[in-house]
This record gives sequence, structure tokens and C-alpha cells, in this order.
Amino acid sequence: GIQVEQSPPDLILQEGANSTLRCNFSDSVNNLQWFHQNPWGQLINLFYIPSGTKQNGRLSATTVATERYSLLYISSSQTTDSGVYFCAVALRGGSYIPTFGRGTSLIVHP
Amino acid sequence: GAVVSQHPSRVICKSGTSVKIECRSLDFQATTMFWYRQFPKQSLMLMATSNEGSKATYEQGVEKDKFLINHASLTLSTLTVTSAHPEDSSFYICSARGPGASSYEQYFGPGTRLTVT
Repeated sequence: GIQVEQSPPDLILQEGANSTLRCNFSDSVNNLQWFHQNPWGQLINLFYIPSGTKQNGRLSATTVATERYSLLYISSSQTTDSGVYFCAVALRGGSYIPTFGRGTSLIVHP
Repeated sequence: GAVVSQHPSRVICKSGTSVKIECRSLDFQATTMFWYRQFPKQSLMLMATSNEGSKATYEQGVEKDKFLINHASLTLSTLTVTSAHPEDSSFYICSARGPGASSYEQYFGPGTRLTVT
């Protein structure tokens, strides 16, 4: 099956810092989502981004499907950004059942 | 839009009893729902995929007689953990995908924390 690797596995930031999270995948995909799992366990949709670039406030994401990676940018981080960030991908031509990466655990200190 | 609810949020039960978890899509019809299990500090593990009106498709290694899934309508799927044991203690999360939202996006419920004593 498709392999999804996220880096870094852990990240500690001071409030106000910027960061880039990466998601590499091993095959062609046509479905990629970024999620934020908050400390209470709720997964929140950040971006549906099989290709291209999107921005939403302090967050933006870019997927380069031909090179099999996606990046999530967090600018001016806040303590509420803490949690785990997952990317999930689904294979082109498949049944659209997503495969999740292991996530990046982010802690933002005040 | 695209809100998924899950109930209960937390349940404690005795070993040997059964527990039912409900997953509802509140503002869209979900043709497909997914059930995941998550252990502490780990990623989500897909247990099964259910389509409305048909039998669920279980992932390898998931006991279908132990984890009963029913997707009775376009807005409701249930997961029943039968004869629960302490090793079934975990965080169970459902998600929904359907024509009311983007067909390829998943929306997650808040999860159910199951503790079996």
C-alpha cells in the first residue's frame, strides 16, 4: 500500500514562530487532506489539497503531486496551534480510503 | 456545514458487556462512513468502512464478530463492541464522507473514549 511519511515527528516552538510540516507519499494520489487533532482528540479539517496552494488565515498548504509531497505552513504560531497534525492521502484510481501518516506533534509555548 | 457527532463521548464498562457507539452526520447525507481506533500517541488505524445499506468492509486483523458495524441510514452508523475486554480500551473515532459535503473529504466526529474495567 501507499506509504505516508510526515516530518518532523515532534516540534516545539515559542509563540510567534513560524514552522513548516512536511508530508511525503510514495504513489500518485488525488486526495490529500491535512488535519489538526486538538488535545481533546477532535480532528479538525484544515485543507483538502490534492494539488496547488491554499491559504486560510495563518495557515497555508502546498501540494506538489508530481513530486509526491505536501507542505503545511504555520505562521505566527499560537498556543492553540498545539496538537498533532496529520496528513491523509488516497490513491489515484483507488477507492478513496485515506492512509494516514504518523503525524507531527506540535507544542507551542507561551 | 459538514458536522459529525458521536455519542457517547466517554464510556466505562465492565469486562464482558457490550457497548454501542453512534456516529451521525448532522447536516449532510453520508454514503460512506469510516471507523478508526487510536492508541495514545499513535496515528489513526482504520477498522472498517461502511456504506449505507450494505455490509461493512473490515480491515485485515479486525474481528467483524467483535466490532459490529451497522450503517442503517444515510446519517447514522453504529459500532458495537461486543463482549468487551480491557484490551479493547481505546479512543474510537468515526468519520463521514458523502455527497452533501465534498465527495472526497472526510469529516470526523469528536471520538469516544472507551475504558473496559
